[in-house]
Parts: sequence; C-alpha cells; structure tokens
Amino acid sequence: DAGVTQSPTHLIKTRGQQVTLRCSPKSGHDTVSWYQQALGQGPQFIFQYYEEEERQRGNFPDRFSGHQFPNYSSELNVNALLLGDSALYLCASRPTGTGELFFGEGSRLTVL
Amino acid sequence: RKEVEQDPGPFNVPEGATVAFNCTYSNSASQSFFWYRQDCRKEPKLLMSVYSSGNEDGRFTAQLNRASQYISLLIRDSKLSDSATYLCVVNGGGSYIPTFGRGTSLIVHP
Repeated sequence: DAGVTQSPTHLIKTRGQQVTLRCSPKSGHDTVSWYQQALGQGPQFIFQYYEEEERQRGNFPDRFSGHQFPNYSSELNVNALLLGDSALYLCASRPTGTGELFFGEGSRLTVL
Repeated sequence: RKEVEQDPGPFNVPEGATVAFNCTYSNSASQSFFWYRQDCRKEPKLLMSVYSSGNEDGRFTAQLNRASQYISLLIRDSKLSDSATYLCVVNGGGSYIPTFGRGTSLIVHP
C-alpha cells in the first residue's frame, strides 16, 4: 500500500516564476492538505481539499492556489515566486473525519 | 501570543534519561491533540494522539491539561534513535485545521 507521494522532490526556480507541486494521497484517503515548512519552523497550513473543493485556507496570499482531482490527487500552484517562498512543501492526506495526518516526503523548493 | 508554543530546545540528554516536553495552545475550543516526530530533512510522522485521560505507548506518555491549555510528552529510558524534532499539533474545532508548534529538538547522546 503506497503512502503519500509527492513530486518533484527538489526544484530550483527564480523569482517571478511559477511552480506546480503534485501529491497523490494514501489509498483510501479523500482529504488532502498542504503545508509550508521553513527551516527551523513547524509546518504552516496552506489549505485543505475535500471533494475537489478548497474547504479551509490558512494565512497565505492568493499566489498560492490548488486543485484536487476526482482521484483525490492534488496540486499546489505558486505564482510570482518570492525568495521567501523557499521552503519544504508537504502534502498530507487523511480519511475525512479523522485527525491523523499522513505526510509525503515533501518537495523542497529553492527560489533564487 | 502564538497559537501553539513549544520550547525549541535543543534538549541534550544521555541515553537512559527521562525527558519531558511541554506545549501550550491558545485556542480553548481546540478539540484534538497530537505529537508528531520529524527526523532531519524528513516528513513528520505521527507519534501519538493525546487523550484527555492521558495515554501511554511504551516509553512514551502524553498528557492533556485543558484547564491550563497545555499538552506534554514524556520519554523514558531515552534511546539514541529518539533523537529528532517533536512537533506538537492542535486541531481547532470541527474543521480539523491543524496548527503546528515549531518543534522541540531532542538530542540523545551515548
């Protein structure tokens, strides 16, 4: 049973560019959430998707957007990249109604 | 005041020691609580949920104090393999939006 998978694992972008990160949830999980983790900090909640809709959103600007597909996989898009967007981006999935999060290994984004 | 606060440490302890971490939260409506473990440059993994009555899993004991709004994690007989960052997570209300603390770093040395 595959766990949560994310791609790409590492990427380098320059300021102003756009990036798309992808996530496949654990089998049987229908809720996907995204997090930004800066070095030395805990993960910060970006948003959560369920039934292909954004259900909750954290304190992130509109440059951060996402999507969930019918197979429950998800994408995170970040436009107009800033240096401060450099971080580890984590995807987590869970069955709806439960609290335990299962994380992918993350996508490490560096913005130059 | 941050929503979830943890002492970042590091806590540097010898093998066999007992170590305790505390985490305070500001939202009195918070409903569920967890401890996650994160190894260096890896993803967080659930260590244990925290129940109102307190719970134990082997060498690990978690407790919740709703009146004072804090949770704790006690690790007994520390092993070298316990070296990691321990993240406190609090879910507010019914939306299951998790708020993470910044983590407490534990280093267990021989």
